[in-house]
Amino acid sequence: DAMVIQNPRYQVTQFGKPVTLSCSQTLNHNVMYWYQQKSSQAPKLLFHYYDKDFNNEADTPDNFQSRRPNTSFCFLDIRSPGLGDAAMYLCATSRVGALTDTQYFGPGTRLTVL
Amino acid sequence: ILNVEQSPQSLHVQEGDSTNFTCSFPSSNFYALHWYRWETAKSPEALFVMTLNGDEKKKGRISATLNTKEGYSYLYIKGSQPEDSATYLCAFRRGSDSWGKLQFGAGTQVVVTP
Repeated sequence: DAMVIQNPRYQVTQFGKPVTLSCSQTLNHNVMYWYQQKSSQAPKLLFHYYDKDFNNEADTPDNFQSRRPNTSFCFLDIRSPGLGDAAMYLCATSRVGALTDTQYFGPGTRLTVL
Repeated sequence: ILNVEQSPQSLHVQEGDSTNFTCSFPSSNFYALHWYRWETAKSPEALFVMTLNGDEKKKGRISATLNTKEGYSYLYIKGSQPEDSATYLCAFRRGSDSWGKLQFGAGTQVVVTP
């Protein structure tokens, strides 16, 4: 089945230790998104790629970076995680130009910062 | 209203009872309203995309209505079952966003008890 896969599902890191979360998709969608969701809050868009074009949300901290080496993969790098970065990180994809803008999500990576 | 708001934040339902909850969104510059279901440890799953004022969508025992003039959508669950337990997210897309950006609410967590 076509899907969005996130690895790992759970990630524990230490304060200040860089961490990378990965996302892959078999849907061949042209847009990939990264969201951060903290407990009981709305998922917050960090950035998205439209093909190879990177688009950062204005309030996304510099500590968060992303790479999309090809259509299928997208990575979220947190350069120096702080305690406030503990959250669920969701990856999603969509196809711009489709009849709907439905986003297809992975199961998320729950990040714990010690 | 500038943000997407969902109420209540959580609700408990007895198996067999029906329930409904609300998503409020900006009434201007409307393009689409999405509903997602997010079960624990799974990926958020798209339920409905609604684009026209007065739209009604149905999927099994779950249905949704849309009022774009006043900026709200209701989601209904008829005869709730334990498998309906999930967080239900709504997401608003503005007409001015060309690439499908969604603004999410914080969700309504539904717990159905046998």
